[in-house]
Amino acid sequence: NAGVTQTPKFRVLKTGQSMTLLCAQDMNHEYMYWYRQDPGMGLRLIHYSVGEGTTAKGEVPDGYNVSRLKKQNFLLGLESAAPSQTSVYFCASRTSGAPYEQYFGPGTRLTVT
Amino acid sequence: DQQVKQNSPSLSVQEGRISILNCDYTNSMFDYFLWYKKYPAEGPTFLISISSIKDKNEDGRFTVFLNKSAKHLSLHIVPSQPGDSAVYFCAASGMDSSYKLIFGSGTRLLVRP
Repeated sequence: NAGVTQTPKFRVLKTGQSMTLLCAQDMNHEYMYWYRQDPGMGLRLIHYSVGEGTTAKGEVPDGYNVSRLKKQNFLLGLESAAPSQTSVYFCASRTSGAPYEQYFGPGTRLTVT
Repeated sequence: DQQVKQNSPSLSVQEGRISILNCDYTNSMFDYFLWYKKYPAEGPTFLISISSIKDKNEDGRFTVFLNKSAKHLSLHIVPSQPGDSAVYFCAASGMDSSYKLIFGSGTRLLVRP
């Protein structure tokens, strides 16, 4: 039982390049989330999904797209990376009901130059 | 406008003593509160939670207190151990927002041997 895994762990992009971050969970969770963490700002929600085939915007969705084609996977895409997207990205998942705690992956550190 | 605030960026305590981490919130619709612990280069891990119908929840060395009238919660760690040194995030959620988590900015705890 690996829990929540994220690929890749590190990535350096040039401005304008694109990439996809992959999140996978093996806990059969309905809900999945993408966050970014910046110094002094805690975790901010980018997009989330309440089930396979569904996605919704979070607090800071601009510049990102997501897809949830399979229940266990949640993809975060950057179509044209900007230096402001330099951050650590975390994926999380939880069950559909109580308890409401989310389980986090180890993170992806992304640098955009 | 921060809905969840952790006003102390850092805290240093002696091993064996009590650590008290504080968190304030503004949204009266929040009804479920959580604490996460985060080590460097790892994802946040769930520590303890409390529902708004309670004012205290205890799990081993960790106790969370909720004061709804003051919109304040605190995490007590007794006794503190060097392995507790980490960043602690407070998070709040409510049914009105489908239990999405709103995180504070974190408090870095250092437990000195």
